[in-house]
Amino acid sequence: EVQLVQSGAEVKKPGESLRISCKGFGYNFFGYWIGWVRQMPGKGLEWMGIIYPDSSSPIYSPSFQGQVTMSVDKSINAAYLQWSSLEASDTAMYYCARWGGPTLTSLYFDYWGQGALVTVSS
Amino acid sequence: QSALTQPPSASGSPGQSVTISCSGTSNDIGAYNYVSWYQHPPGKAPKLVIYDVNKRPSGVPDRFSGSKSGNVASLTVSGLQTDDEADYHCTSFAGTHNWVFGGGTKLTVL
Repeated sequence: EVQLVQSGAEVKKPGESLRISCKGFGYNFFGYWIGWVRQMPGKGLEWMGIIYPDSSSPIYSPSFQGQVTMSVDKSINAAYLQWSSLEASDTAMYYCARWGGPTLTSLYFDYWGQGALVTVSS
Repeated sequence: QSALTQPPSASGSPGQSVTISCSGTSNDIGAYNYVSWYQHPPGKAPKLVIYDVNKRPSGVPDRFSGSKSGNVASLTVSGLQTDDEADYHCTSFAGTHNWVFGGGTKLTVL
């Protein structure tokens, strides 16, 4: 069974760093792009970027370029989303998802993690 | 403000049909046949219900259908069931390695 399991909720202060994780189970982790999606409180979904585990090549949404860093650890089938200096506006639910489509056209996330709630408050 | 515009809410009674619109521009919905729709129940992860404007992934019932006209995409849910109550998000390809979402529509089954 395909599963994406994300790390737990985090409460941080502005200026702190953070890395959240997403581990893939039940499929060839190296063969599928992993994406990250943000949902701020009361708002819609936002595509943040995708990363190909085999090559560790990230593609960022223009809105998130320079704001976050995506990476992978191939040895443990994990993808990461990282902030070097959090802001209150980073408070949101963050989902990882597997790109199941044959091409990078229609946004085709077929399996999703359970989400990780990040709260940034002084 | 989201790139695509959806109505904040929609509703229907069990058994009825409801259509949710998603308005974009000639740079996204109007330019490509790459619109997807996600069903997002409260407290759960989103689920893909439509891709490539009108295709359903395996396992999604044919009560869910999608269409597009010009810069506007639509999702129709027929034979409404209580389980269909969720937020629905549209998204469109907007050029190489770029995708945009709508703000989401809360579907209430009365």
